[in-house]
Amino acid sequence: AQSVTQLGSHVSVSEGALVLLRCNYSSSVPPYLFWYVQYPNQGLQLLLKYTTGATLVKGINGFEAEFKKSETSFHLTKPSAHMSDAAEYFCAVDSTGGGNKLTFGTGTQLKVEL
Amino acid sequence: EPEVTQTPSHQVTQMGQEVILRCVPISNHLYFYWYRQILGQKVEFLVSFYNNEISEKSEIFDDQFSVERPDGSNFTLKIRSTKLEDSAMYFCASSAQSSYNEQFFGPGTRLTVL
Repeated sequence: AQSVTQLGSHVSVSEGALVLLRCNYSSSVPPYLFWYVQYPNQGLQLLLKYTTGATLVKGINGFEAEFKKSETSFHLTKPSAHMSDAAEYFCAVDSTGGGNKLTFGTGTQLKVEL
Repeated sequence: EPEVTQTPSHQVTQMGQEVILRCVPISNHLYFYWYRQILGQKVEFLVSFYNNEISEKSEIFDDQFSVERPDGSNFTLKIRSTKLEDSAMYFCASSAQSSYNEQFFGPGTRLTVL
């Protein structure tokens, strides 16, 4: 079975500060990992994904995430937060081998303050 | 930019009634999905659909649920006899291929069962 845990349902940072959103996963096979972002009244948008290869992956809008197998983590970071980053962020895992059944975390609401 | 659309944005129904949630996937996509999110809980996979048949479904997707692609553009989720616990946000998604191609999500339909 696969599962995802996102620590912190709400995270607040100051504009220009580091963003760190935590994600830990559980998977019986090598996982494929994703971060999605949801802006108000919009669908989920893919930020980045890890399938194989380099463990540090870069995504859109300056975000990146590092796959750490030993820690079963895939934390999302951005060096400098911008007001437009305020949204809900979802970590997801697929370990079924087919790449089309995502298991999501509960989401983290990111607030960016002046 | 092509996008997945869903109608209605909000559906209110009485317990025991049938509802049909509609989705228009991106036109050249071949794989279609439904997910749901009960308020405050995780986004959960319901079903994936390819080549006019279900390719995978979760335990949630019981006999009360069905999916259909009635024409070349729409993809529908039907709940035959709604229960209070079916109240949730339902997301449709589509992808060009399987194997870790990005799933593009619609904005969701909020279903409220009274």
